[in-house]
Amino acid sequence: AQSVAQPEDQVNVAEGNPLTVKCTYSVSGNPYLFWYVQYPNRGLQFLLKYITGDNLVKGSYGFEAEFNKSQTSFHLKKPSALVSDSALYFCAVRDNTGGFKTIFGAGTRLFVKA
Amino acid sequence: SQTIHQWPATLVQPVGSPLSLECTVEGTSNPNLYWYRQAAGRGLQLLFYSVGIGQISSEVPQNLSASRPQDRQFILSSKKLLLSDSGFYLCAWSFNSGGAGRETQYFGPGTRLLVL
Repeated sequence: AQSVAQPEDQVNVAEGNPLTVKCTYSVSGNPYLFWYVQYPNRGLQFLLKYITGDNLVKGSYGFEAEFNKSQTSFHLKKPSALVSDSALYFCAVRDNTGGFKTIFGAGTRLFVKA
Repeated sequence: SQTIHQWPATLVQPVGSPLSLECTVEGTSNPNLYWYRQAAGRGLQLLFYSVGIGQISSEVPQNLSASRPQDRQFILSSKKLLLSDSGFYLCAWSFNSGGAGRETQYFGPGTRLLVL
C-alpha cells in the first residue's frame, strides 16, 4: 500500500533563511512524487514533481526537492524563505502501475517570520 | 491554457437537504477528473475519479455520488446531507494518457460546505 508521511505539523523559519519541509513515502514499485502548496481557503497549487531522471527537481517560486531512493524521501527546499511562502504544503505519491489514486500527506504548515 | 472552475465557493445547507457541486474544465479535452474532500484544513481524501463521460469510480463508500454528464463537467451530489459531509471539496483534473501515472493534477479553487 502507498503511504506518505510529513513528520512535521509545522515548520518555523526566519525570512532569508533556508527552509526544508520533509516528506517520506512508501510505494510498491517506483514512485511519482509531487509537492503542492495551499493558501488559506484556496485550492492546491502544483509546485514540482519527480517522475524519473535527475534526483534534484526544480519547481515554481524558487522551490526544489531532492529525491532520495535509499531513504525514500522527497524533501522540499528553498535557499532563502520569503514571508509570502507561509502556507500549507502537501507531499503526494503515486506508484507507477498506472493507477489513479494519489496519496497525500497530512500537510506541513510553514511559517516564515519577517 | 487550461482553467478549472468550481461553484459555489461556499455553501451552508441544513442536514437532510440535497447537494449539487459543479466543476468544469476549460482548454482541454477528455481530462481525468477527480473529487477530493479536505477536512479541517489538512489531508485530502479522494472521493471519486472519472476517465470519461459516464465513467465514475468511487474510492470511499459514503453519502455522496458523482456524475460526469459532459466531457469537461463533473458533479458531486447527495440526496440527503449529513453533518459529517461538512468540509472543503476540491475538484481536480489531469491529462488523460491512459493511466494516471505521471500526470500532474491541477486543482480548482474549492467549495466550502457547512452542514448545520
